[in-house]
Order: sequence, then structure tokens, then C-alpha cells
Amino acid sequence: GQQLNQSPQSMFIQEGEDVSMNCTSSSIFNTWLWYKQDPGEGPVLLIALYKAGELTSNGRLTAQFGITRKDSFLNISASIPSDVGIYFCAGLREGAQKLVFGQGTRLTINP
Amino acid sequence: DSGVTQTPKHLITATGQRVTLRCSPRSGDLSVYWYQQSLDQGLQFLIQYYNGEERAKGNILERFSAQQFPDLHSELNLSSLELGDSALYFCASSVGGHYNSPLHFGNGTRLTVT
Repeated sequence: GQQLNQSPQSMFIQEGEDVSMNCTSSSIFNTWLWYKQDPGEGPVLLIALYKAGELTSNGRLTAQFGITRKDSFLNISASIPSDVGIYFCAGLREGAQKLVFGQGTRLTINP
Repeated sequence: DSGVTQTPKHLITATGQRVTLRCSPRSGDLSVYWYQQSLDQGLQFLIQYYNGEERAKGNILERFSAQQFPDLHSELNLSSLELGDSALYFCASSVGGHYNSPLHFGNGTRLTVT
């Protein structure tokens, strides 16, 4: 079953606003990955995190590996229309061999 | 472009039929993963191959099977298809055999079972 809780499920924002989403679990994770999926395409890796407390940026995107190792956050600053899509977190639980995905956050931007 | 190639892009078939989906991983990647994404759902892991051998298995039905060939391309076979098998099927690849190697996804095969 699903081991990650990703929230919010959907967001409707104005262009230029900042966005925050997160994934949480009751289990400890060794790796957190954030992906974006555009309509009709496969998920594209945005940011990979491997260490508790790690903060990594990719342009206007910033992701953090939670200090408890049970959560991760993704922030998008100054959103633009091309940020529209579905954002997925994915994590590798300690001791596991299978990556688990969150249910996704669907981002919609009003111009 | 992730470098992962999936064919065909679209597939429409009838219940009870069998189809084969094909995936070519990124150059240099040894692992291939298959995922199923149903409408408005997340990605469900099906199976992973590493250098030709099955490495991990997820929620893959017995009607489904996969293999990875010596040239590292992979095929996912879906048989006795049911309406509920309609979904996007993604292939992903990574350099290593462990999940801390980030996955790179293809653009998927959209399967419609009528």
C-alpha cells in the first residue's frame, strides 16, 4: 500500500505566487526524489535528496530532506505558467528496495 | 528528453487480448523499471530488472510478465487483458540496481482496453 502522504492533492494559484507542497510518512527514508509530470509525458526528475537536512535548489525550485527523515518539502518561487503539472514525491524507505511514490500534487496556475 | 524510449505510444485492443510494450533504457543504464499509472492515480511499481535479471517485484499481476534482453531493452507483456488494465505504462531506467540511483522515465505507452 501507499506509504507516503503527499499534500495538498491540488493547488490553484495566481501566476507569481510561491508554492509549497510536502510528503510525510511514519517511516524513515534514506532518499527523497521530486518529479514533475506534464500532460502526456513521463515524470521528469527535478531534485534528488540523500541526506537529512539537505536543502537543494534547481532554479526556482527548492527541496528539503526533513531532519526527522520522515518528510520532504518542495517549494516553487514566483510561479510561471509552465510550472503547471503534477508533482510527485518519491522515497526510498530505510531497509527497502522499492521506491514509493506519493499520489501527486496537481498544480494549476491562473494567469 | 530523458533518453528512455517507449513504444508504442498508444495501443488500443480488446479484452482478452495480449500486448507487448517495449522499452529502451538510457545509454549506460543497467536497470529498467515498469510502472502503471491509472487515471488520476500515482505510479504503481510493477517490476525491476537489472542487467538482465529480475531485481524487485511490486504489484504485478500474474497475467503480466516482463523480461530484459542482453542489449538491455525490456518488454512488458500483458495478457488476458481486462478493462481495468487500461492505463499509462511507464518504463524508467537508472544506472545502478538500487533505488538511490534516480529514475529517468520514458513518455509512456497509453493502453486502452475496449
